[in-house]
Amino acid sequence: DSGVTQTPKHLITATGQRVTLRCSPRSGDLSVYWYQQSLDQGLQFLIQYYNGEERAKGNILERFSAQQFPDLHSELNLSSLELGDSALYFCASSAPRSSTGELFFGEGSRLTVL
Amino acid sequence: AQSVTQPDIHITVSEGASLELRCNYSYGATPYLFWYVQSPGQGLQLLLKYFSGDTLVQGIKGFEAEFKRSQSSFNLRKPSVHWSDAAEYFCAVGDYKLSFGAGTTVTVRA
Repeated sequence: DSGVTQTPKHLITATGQRVTLRCSPRSGDLSVYWYQQSLDQGLQFLIQYYNGEERAKGNILERFSAQQFPDLHSELNLSSLELGDSALYFCASSAPRSSTGELFFGEGSRLTVL
Repeated sequence: AQSVTQPDIHITVSEGASLELRCNYSYGATPYLFWYVQSPGQGLQLLLKYFSGDTLVQGIKGFEAEFKRSQSSFNLRKPSVHWSDAAEYFCAVGDYKLSFGAGTTVTVRA
């Protein structure tokens, strides 16, 4: 158990819909990262938040957005869903003074778009 | 730009045999390198990491990896594989923004 909690574990929805994925980082961690894992793209970095502010952006689509709340939990919002958005979405967190990429991953949220 | 190549998509090994997974990286400076393991239906778990110093690093579950700057490699090894080592293994490079390789699936046969 990494200490990172993601909900829901599984989600099935239709094209055009909007979903929200939630992540609670490990206790004391200030950084939250979102990754997408798909068969064709592998593991792709989407976005990072640090203590409520966006720190880095990766291959995140404009239809996707994220935020980190004062209690440090984070949400990833996916809108106008397409079939290709079906993937496993991971959240990870890192220790407050870590700038060296040691991430602790949640078990992921599997999104299926029909 | 940083990137990672894992040349082997799938490796099958007998239980008790040794295992080596290859990883080549591209990074502009001294790299931070990682190996993660993903068991079916699970998240990624850190096996080991290299930041600096000794180029042979020890990790959990009996794994080790050797950093070779001249070859831009960070290969993962285990002397004797157990059936529970069947999983997907990812090499990664970066600092706070990790780039992952495509992964190597390891199958362990009895």
